[in-house]
Amino acid sequence: DAGVIQSPRHEVTEMGQEVTLRCKPISGHNSLFWYRQTMMRGLELLIYFNNNVPIDDSGMPEDRFSAKMPNASFSTLKIQPSEPRDSAVYFCASSGPFVTEAFFGQGTRLTVV
Amino acid sequence: AQSVAQPEDQVNVAEGNPLTVKCTYSVSGNPYLFWYVQYPNRGLQFLLKYITGDNLVKGSYGFEAEFNKSQTSFHLKKPSALVSDSALYFCAVLTSDMRFGAGTRLTVKP
Repeated sequence: DAGVIQSPRHEVTEMGQEVTLRCKPISGHNSLFWYRQTMMRGLELLIYFNNNVPIDDSGMPEDRFSAKMPNASFSTLKIQPSEPRDSAVYFCASSGPFVTEAFFGQGTRLTVV
Repeated sequence: AQSVAQPEDQVNVAEGNPLTVKCTYSVSGNPYLFWYVQYPNRGLQFLLKYITGDNLVKGSYGFEAEFNKSQTSFHLKKPSALVSDSALYFCAVLTSDMRFGAGTRLTVKP
């Protein structure tokens, strides 16, 4: 398996634009996590899916952020409109179906100017 | 709330010396604990985990961790550090989701 695949690896966008980050989890995994990493706040859990259903989105910063998982092999994290303070590295991770470690993608480095 | 804490932002050791990176947890019930390593511009890589059983867990790259229930700790250790071990290390706890500590930057000097 190629592991968790995230795209794009880098994204530079202007403030106010819509940004969509994509994730393909490892086949057979039934849990998917979106994290955001910044120097100031460390690694924050944004949202967690189990069997394609959002279980906990309490970490989503505000309504500008939304995440979907239309099927077991794909998830998106959308920011609309984007702001400079959204600049960070966004990681997707998957795990499961039992108590196992999470496997991380390489991350998407987002810069909003 | 379920959480882990890493009390040290930075740990410096000399190559060849033993290293310890500290982690304490706050979990109701039995904890599922993990250690990850992050190299620059990379995602987090799994090192080892404690689910149940032996309190001493061995993982990748010669790392091990000791689960101590009375002290609610899960410290990461390695008998002899390498310069290539220099990286950011995260402790994590799995309940319904996976929560990470703030991270500890380990620097191993030649």
